[in-house]
Amino acid sequence: DIQMTQSPSTLSASVGDRVTITCRASQSIGDWLAWYQHKPGKAPKLLIYKASTLESGVPSRFSGSGSGTEFTLTISRLQPDDFATYYCQQYDDLPGFGGGTKVEIK
Amino acid sequence: VQLVESGGGLAQPGGSLRLSCSASGFTFSSSGMHWVRQAPGKGLEYLSGISGNEGSILYADSVKGRFTISRDNSKNILYLQMSSLRPEDTAVYYCVKDGWYTYGLLGHWGQGTLVTVSS
Repeated sequence: DIQMTQSPSTLSASVGDRVTITCRASQSIGDWLAWYQHKPGKAPKLLIYKASTLESGVPSRFSGSGSGTEFTLTISRLQPDDFATYYCQQYDDLPGFGGGTKVEIK
Repeated sequence: VQLVESGGGLAQPGGSLRLSCSASGFTFSSSGMHWVRQAPGKGLEYLSGISGNEGSILYADSVKGRFTISRDNSKNILYLQMSSLRPEDTAVYYCVKDGWYTYGLLGHWGQGTLVTVSS
């Protein structure tokens, strides 16, 4: 199975900050990589798919990049609604998630 | 798209439980469907998936041989039969629909149902 590793596991930031989360795959997955936002008590939400394609309705401050084994999620200017946990997920093979990155208020 | 899970609750270790997911708002028989869970204080864990025509069925190692995914395309319902339950199976279980007709892309999520395994 393909292993997904996210870093950092926790990130403290302020409103307006630029935030970057990294995801690494244990083998090449092309661009079959998605990012999700998850808030407590709510259903996870798809943000980005095919590594860099923004899901409909997702604000443009979110962006994704990368291919092969290295991927990043960037939030250009953090907003109050963005404090949440973010997960990467590969769907090249048996789907699997990274461990998550909790974005906290600094 | 609406996905509504049911069937969660308290189960004994070694026991069984069947989760259901009622789907509406899309062509169910054309969509791959999946189950994902989140244990208390843990991250998301992919469990199982089934393609629209049931030609592809996937299981994570953690549930292979204990959980069985199935679907009834005539009733628009997805199932997860769980047996030999363990305390570590305690989690919120989410029903998820493929996004963009891509098997494994988790596009639409239900609100989840809580399963607690305890004596």
